[in-house]
Amino acid sequence: IAGITQAPTSQILAAGRRMTLRCTQDMRHNAMYWYRQDLGLGLRLIHYSNTAGTTGKGEVPDGYSVSRANTDDFPLTLASAVPSQTSVYFCASSHRGGTEAFFGQGTRLTVV
Amino acid sequence: GESVGLHLPTLSVQEGDNSIINCAYSNSASDYFIWYKQESGKGPQFIIDIRSNMDKRQGQRVTVLLNKTVKHLSLQIAATQPGDSAVYFCAEKAIYNTDKLIFGTGTRLQVFP
Repeated sequence: IAGITQAPTSQILAAGRRMTLRCTQDMRHNAMYWYRQDLGLGLRLIHYSNTAGTTGKGEVPDGYSVSRANTDDFPLTLASAVPSQTSVYFCASSHRGGTEAFFGQGTRLTVV
Repeated sequence: GESVGLHLPTLSVQEGDNSIINCAYSNSASDYFIWYKQESGKGPQFIIDIRSNMDKRQGQRVTVLLNKTVKHLSLQIAATQPGDSAVYFCAEKAIYNTDKLIFGTGTRLQVFP
């Protein structure tokens, strides 16, 4: 594959459950990002990483955690899901210092 | 697919006309300002960027203007086509610090035949 892949495509999750959204890229990009997009609204940055081994908080980090053990993978974990985390989640990557970010197809998460 | 832009400002234009999409930004420390296009059910796609020390940059059928005095960014699309219908987002990035990519408000562009 060439590009960035997210899994699962969609998920219905019971409140209180733990969930990890997966993101993998094969472009050797250093920077990776997680966004959430609520229906009818824009993208809000949850967490980001500008190189393997480092992560940073975005605009809406509460309730989410990330790790960056290697260049290719950037999983997003919801430790205890709540209904307000119902959203479409997009993972993206770019070259460090680059302006063009490449996005995955999104994960639609519904917390009930 | 996911429907985006239901509550975003909408710009309606006739096919062949020029479109101007506007964005206000807040962070004067950003190094680059960027426009993305998002079609329904898809992730955003890069269109064009402009460095903070420039005021105009042209691409294929698109022009981005940056006015740092009033913190305003605009995207001009020439000869708008039906395939241009999408939600357009401005974004900003601080390259030399955190590499954060922050998106601004979006505008839904509808092109009528």
